[in-house]
Amino acid sequence: GIQVEQSPPDLILQEGANSTLRCNFSDSVNNLQWFHQNPWGQLINLFYIPSGTKQNGRLSATTVATERYSLLYISSSQTTDSGVYFCAPRGLLNEKLTFGTGTRLTIIP
Amino acid sequence: DSGVTQTPKHLITATGQRVTLRCSPRSGDLSVYWYQQSLDQGLQFLIQYYNGEERAKGNILERFSAQQFPDLHSELNLSSLELGDSALYFCASSVASTHEQYFGPGTRLTVT
Repeated sequence: GIQVEQSPPDLILQEGANSTLRCNFSDSVNNLQWFHQNPWGQLINLFYIPSGTKQNGRLSATTVATERYSLLYISSSQTTDSGVYFCAPRGLLNEKLTFGTGTRLTIIP
Repeated sequence: DSGVTQTPKHLITATGQRVTLRCSPRSGDLSVYWYQQSLDQGLQFLIQYYNGEERAKGNILERFSAQQFPDLHSELNLSSLELGDSALYFCASSVASTHEQYFGPGTRLTVT
């Protein structure tokens, strides 16, 4: 199956800072989703991004499927951005998502 | 709110017992997926149902089973529970056109 690597594993930033989270995957994919798991455990959809770039407020994401990576950008971080960010590509052969181990982001006021 | 509902939110039970987790997908979604999140295994896919039929199986133990009913809600049955089954169990449903998945709030299972 697909192997997914996320980096960095942990990130601690001051409020207002910007960050870039990376997701590398080992095989061709049909699509890719980014999620934020908040401190209460909820998985919140951020982006559905099989290729190209999308923006939603302070967040944006870019997937370069031919080079097998995706990036999540967070600008002007707020304490509510804290949590774990997962990327989850979907392979060509089925509809399941394969999750990376996540990036744990902590925003300090 | 994703539109996917799961009950119960928390479940505490003893080893050897059997529990049933319930999931209702978003209106109109035919696919339901179950995932397990544990400290040692991370988030992993268990099983998928589409319109009542099993479509894909992942790392699901033989002690676990699932089904999807005609009204499209799904149940995950966990039996002969072990301490290692303690985890957060998520249900997701997907949009037919894109397969984008939306997750429920999860059921936190604690086996003592």
